[in-house]
Amino acid sequence: GAGVSQSPRYKVAKRGQDVALRCDPISGHVSLFWYQQALGQGPEFLTYFQNEAQLDKSGLPSDRFFAERPEGSVSTLKIQRTQQEDSAVYLCASSQAGDSTDTQYFGPGTRLTVL
Amino acid sequence: DAKTTQPPSMDCAEGRAANLPCNHSTISGNEYVYWYRQIHSQGPQYIIHGLKNNETNEMASLIITEDRKSSTLILPHATLRDTAVYYCIVRVEEGYSGAGSYQLTFGKGTKLSVIP
Repeated sequence: GAGVSQSPRYKVAKRGQDVALRCDPISGHVSLFWYQQALGQGPEFLTYFQNEAQLDKSGLPSDRFFAERPEGSVSTLKIQRTQQEDSAVYLCASSQAGDSTDTQYFGPGTRLTVL
Repeated sequence: DAKTTQPPSMDCAEGRAANLPCNHSTISGNEYVYWYRQIHSQGPQYIIHGLKNNETNEMASLIITEDRKSSTLILPHATLRDTAVYYCIVRVEEGYSGAGSYQLTFGKGTKLSVIP
């Protein structure tokens, strides 16, 4: 079946621009996660949704980062006034239930480059 | 979640077993050991997990020491497609609902290079 998809796969933004990154989780998956991966590092947690509820946003690095999942399916990660340090791969993952040990399935990521 | 320590890189000859170690000396009794891998330009992929017994699936085997302070991921017959970064992660057990219990905490992992 279809896995997690993300769009766009690549995004180049000028410093100061706003960007929106989309994640389509596996159909029916309750939980959705966003991670940020800097070059040469492991992914780092940003935020977590259970259905439409954002239960944890402790990893968002600043108030320029905002995520939503209004209907409990597709999610959008928005970054306002992008800075060079925002350049990274943004990964989305979904899991079937809200169980803490449920397997997370990752999308291919969106590579954001801020010039 | 407990911290893990892995070697930064390893080489393995194609067709041989790849044994990837992980140290998690501060693991708690309610924490599982998970392994994910990330092939270049892809998202991480789940491999296997276990609590205290050894586990095997179609991808790999997981050997956890009796004191649970370390584990080894074994790819029995490595192929070129197994070249990836392998992450060892510890997570709390099912049913735990404390803050921070849902996300995966990745380290830098081990870059495995399978050589022809």
